Amino acid sequence: GAVVSQHPSRVICKSGTSVKIECRSLDFQATTMFWYRQFPKQSLMLMATSNEGSKATYEQGVEKDKFLINHASLTLSTLTVTSAHPEDSSFYICSAGAGSTDTQYFGPGTRLTVL
Amino acid sequence: GENVEQHPSTLSVQEGDSAVIKCTYSDSASNYFPWYKQELGKRPQLIIDIRSNVGEKKDQRIAVTLNKTAKHFSLHITETQPEDSAVYFCAADKYGNKLVFGAGTILRVKS
Repeated sequence: GAVVSQHPSRVICKSGTSVKIECRSLDFQATTMFWYRQFPKQSLMLMATSNEGSKATYEQGVEKDKFLINHASLTLSTLTVTSAHPEDSSFYICSAGAGSTDTQYFGPGTRLTVL
Repeated sequence: GENVEQHPSTLSVQEGDSAVIKCTYSDSASNYFPWYKQELGKRPQLIIDIRSNVGEKKDQRIAVTLNKTAKHFSLHITETQPEDSAVYFCAADKYGNKLVFGAGTILRVKS
């Protein structure tokens, strides 16, 4: 089946620093990748949709200048949390779609803790 | 936009019993309805999905039913086992645009 990896799995950083999270599709080309945020005991909330080679589409209320998304190839998308603050602490999960199907395959997630 | 409601928020069943989780959606154009199982701290895993041209789909102990007229779909787990304990999310999608998730159901299977 389709495999999506995410790196790092866990990161702790100081307030004000930036953190980059990578999402890779390992055995298929992902024309579209999605970034979600999940707070404890809550559902997955879509942050943005990225298509390879074009600008990401952000959901309402998500600051595009704070959450920078780059989808430079069909197998890699990155999310950079800039000037992180404690309220950005969350579980960030990416997913990838192969384009010809609705099915999304999720990465293992990144636990971000901002001190 | 699409809105997905999921019930119940928690569900406790005895091992061997059946569990049913229900979701409703608002956008009649949605055409893809997956169910995900998520264990604590792990990724959501697709367990079954259904498309709008089908009314029911079954995979061993798991089945999903879809009622397009009423705009609701349900997950059925039979012969529950302790390892079925997890959080289950339903979702709705329209032509691969984006998934909108329900709030989740914590399923506890008591042995």
